[in-house]
This record gives sequence, C-alpha cells and structure tokens, in this order.
Amino acid sequence: DAKTTQPNSMESNEEEPVHLPCNHSTISGTDYIHWYRQLPSQGPEYVIHGLTSNVNNRMASLAIAEDRKSSTLILHRATLRDAAVYYCILIVRAQKLVFGQGTRLTINP
Amino acid sequence: ETGVTQSPTHLIKTRGQQVTLRCSSQSGHNTVSWYQQALGQGPQFIFQYYREEENGRGNFPPRFSGLQFPNYSSELNVNALELDDSALYLCASSPLGPGINLNTQYFGPGTRLTVL
Repeated sequence: DAKTTQPNSMESNEEEPVHLPCNHSTISGTDYIHWYRQLPSQGPEYVIHGLTSNVNNRMASLAIAEDRKSSTLILHRATLRDAAVYYCILIVRAQKLVFGQGTRLTINP
Repeated sequence: ETGVTQSPTHLIKTRGQQVTLRCSSQSGHNTVSWYQQALGQGPQFIFQYYREEENGRGNFPPRFSGLQFPNYSSELNVNALELDDSALYLCASSPLGPGINLNTQYFGPGTRLTVL
C-alpha cells in the first residue's frame, strides 16, 4: 500500500491559518491524494482530494507539490471545531482507505 | 438525505461470544466498507461489499465476516471474540463502485465494542 508520512501533532491558534503537511514519496501517477479528518467521538469525514492541481472547497485548500511527492492541507482560518485528527491518504483503486496515524491538530482559543 | 447510521452505539461482550453489528448506507450508495479502529490508532480496513459480494479484504481472520443486503444495508459478524477485538467499528458507504479513485467514503459514527 502506498505510504504517507505526517507529523504526529500540530498546534495552532484560533482564526489563524493552519498548514498540515504530508509526504508521499512513493506516489504513482494514478494515485489520488485524499484528506479525511476525524473529530472526537465521530467517524472520519471527507475533507478534500486532488490529483495534480491545487484544489479549493468550502472546508479547505489542498496544495500539491509539482513532483506530487508531498501535499499540504490548508485551513485558512482555524476554529475550535477544526480540532481533529487529520489523515492524508493515497487512494489506489478506491477499494480501501489506508489510514496512517494522522496528525492530531489542537486549536488554542 | 439520511447519512450512514450504525447500531448499536455501544456493546459489551465476553470472550468467545459472537457479535453482529449493523450499518445502513446513505441513500443511493451501493458500496459499503468496514473498518476497525483501536484506541489511539487510525482505522484499519476489514472488507468491502459491492452489490452483495465481498470485494476486497484486509488482514483480518475468517471469523470476521459480513453481509450486504439488496437495500445496501450491511452487517459485520465477529465470531469467537477475543480481547483484542475491543475497538470502534466503522462502516462507510460510497456512491460509486470499486475501482474508481474519486470514490469518497461517508462514515457512520461507529459501534464501540468492548470484549471482557
């Protein structure tokens, strides 16, 4: 399974931007990069995905490096409700999501 | 639109017993996947069902089995429970069939299973 590497934890302040990095040096040409997050006591929820170009949606932005070996999830103005574990996942054939440890994001008021 | 629902919310069993967990997919979704999440870990893929057939399995023993029904709801059955089976069991449904890399999965809140 294609592997991703993320920092175990990050901390930020409310209303400031947050940049969550992910390394995926073994990515292949057809692998999509997906981000999910898991809020406390909930199941994971989809955040955003991309292939080559940067992507924006109402939740976040995804910046993908030109060589696609890394990506960054950007929360433009973090709120307390964004405190969660964020997972960066490479999708291969969509059969399964392979979750790593993820990054636990703490937001300070 | 109703999201993915799971029942029961919590369950306590003893070692050696059998358990059945249930999942109702989001309307219109034909694929369901099950994951096990141990405390402090990311979810681990158990298996996936598409049109009532198993379509891929993770590294779990045969005592973990499943069913998908014509209405796309699903069950996860675990026989001969072990202490290490204590975990949060997550069900996820998706609107597109397997093999499509854009297939977003929608997760339920999970069933917390405790094995004593």
